[in-house]
Amino acid sequence: EVQLFESGGGLVQTGGSLRLSCAASGFNFGSYGMSWVRQAPGKGLEWVSLISGSGGSTHYADSVKGRFTVSRDNSKNTLYLQMNSLRAEDTAVYYCAKRRVTAPQPFDYWGQGTLVTVSS
Amino acid sequence: DIQLTQSPSFLSASVGDRVTITCRASQGISSNLAWYQQKPGKAPNLLIYSASTLQSGVPSRFSGSGSGTEFTLTISSLQPEDFATYYCQQLNSSPITFGQGTRLEIK
Repeated sequence: EVQLFESGGGLVQTGGSLRLSCAASGFNFGSYGMSWVRQAPGKGLEWVSLISGSGGSTHYADSVKGRFTVSRDNSKNTLYLQMNSLRAEDTAVYYCAKRRVTAPQPFDYWGQGTLVTVSS
Repeated sequence: DIQLTQSPSFLSASVGDRVTITCRASQGISSNLAWYQQKPGKAPNLLIYSASTLQSGVPSRFSGSGSGTEFTLTISSLQPEDFATYYCQQLNSSPITFGQGTRLEIK
């Protein structure tokens, strides 16, 4: 059974940093692209970043480019999101999601989410 | 960036109704579109990908169609568990984008 479990969320001050983790199990982690998606309170879904199975290719939303870094450790079956220079508008539930291997690679499994609150 | 516009944003319907949600892309995205269902406090759930392919385990009352810039999600006979928010997503090019969502409520 595929399982994704996010951790690392919490309350952080404006300008601060936080690292989210997503522990994966039930599939060959290194063979799949992974993504982060966030949802501000009461709002819709916003794609944040994605990373290829090898970790060699990454993409970011303009809203986080230069501040967030996605990475993965395939030996630990874990995905990460390093978030720096956090702003109030980064407050959201952050989900990690597994990409389906076949094109166009939609997100077929999601974690339960971890809440990040950025406050001054 | 490719913008996705869903209509309607809010839909009130009854159990047994047939409902259709539309998603329009600001430029052509071939069939690189997915639909998700999200219930309050839960993660999204993949329903359809490649515009019309039903994800494994999703009831057959859900169907999708379209290509290019116009897509539809249809629920043939609403069940109580279908009342939720639905999002379309384009995977044609980066940045990946979502529609703003359609909230489906019980009439």
